[in-house]
Amino acid sequence: KAGVTQTPRYLIKTRGQQVTLSCSPISGHRSVSWYQQTPGQGLQFLFEYFSETQRNKGNFPGRFSGRQFSNSRSEMNVSTLELGDSALYLCASSLVASYNEQFFGPGTRLTVL
Amino acid sequence: DAKTTQPPSMDCAEGRAANLPCNHSTISGNEYVYWYRQIHSQGPQYIIHGLKNNETNEMASLIITEDRKSSTLILPHATLRDTAVYYCIVRVSLGSARQLTFGSGTQLTVLP
Repeated sequence: KAGVTQTPRYLIKTRGQQVTLSCSPISGHRSVSWYQQTPGQGLQFLFEYFSETQRNKGNFPGRFSGRQFSNSRSEMNVSTLELGDSALYLCASSLVASYNEQFFGPGTRLTVL
Repeated sequence: DAKTTQPPSMDCAEGRAANLPCNHSTISGNEYVYWYRQIHSQGPQYIIHGLKNNETNEMASLIITEDRKSSTLILPHATLRDTAVYYCIVRVSLGSARQLTFGSGTQLTVLP
């Protein structure tokens, strides 16, 4: 079956703009988690959604938000972009919330100029 | 979740076994040990997990010490495609809305 897909794969924005990233989980998976990866901070958890509800949230400012739709697809939004938001944004899906194995997508590479 | 300590880098000759250590001395009784790896420019990939017994799957073996304070991931016959950053993660398993907390990991380089 198809893996986790993320769109777009690459994105360039300028400071102050906002951006929306999309994640389609593996068919049948109901949990979606988002992570940010930067060279300095490594992989950091953003939030997790299950059945359209945010189950868990990492230590990120309110500019970072997300949602999940009834078909389990998820979007994350970053408003008022800052240079430090440049990162690889990874989405992971699992059958149920916090299941043993999470399947990661290829990520969206966001560059903020 | 318990903190883990891994060496920053390791080399391994192609075809030999790669043994990646992880220390998790503060692990709790209900915490599992997970291993993921991330090949350059790709998302992390699940490898294996265990509680206290040794585990083996088609990718690797996981050896957990009896006191559970450390573990070793074994790739029995490393190939060049196994070059990646390997993350050891300790967390509570099912029933908990807990995220994966990635440390710095070990950069494994498989040499030809």
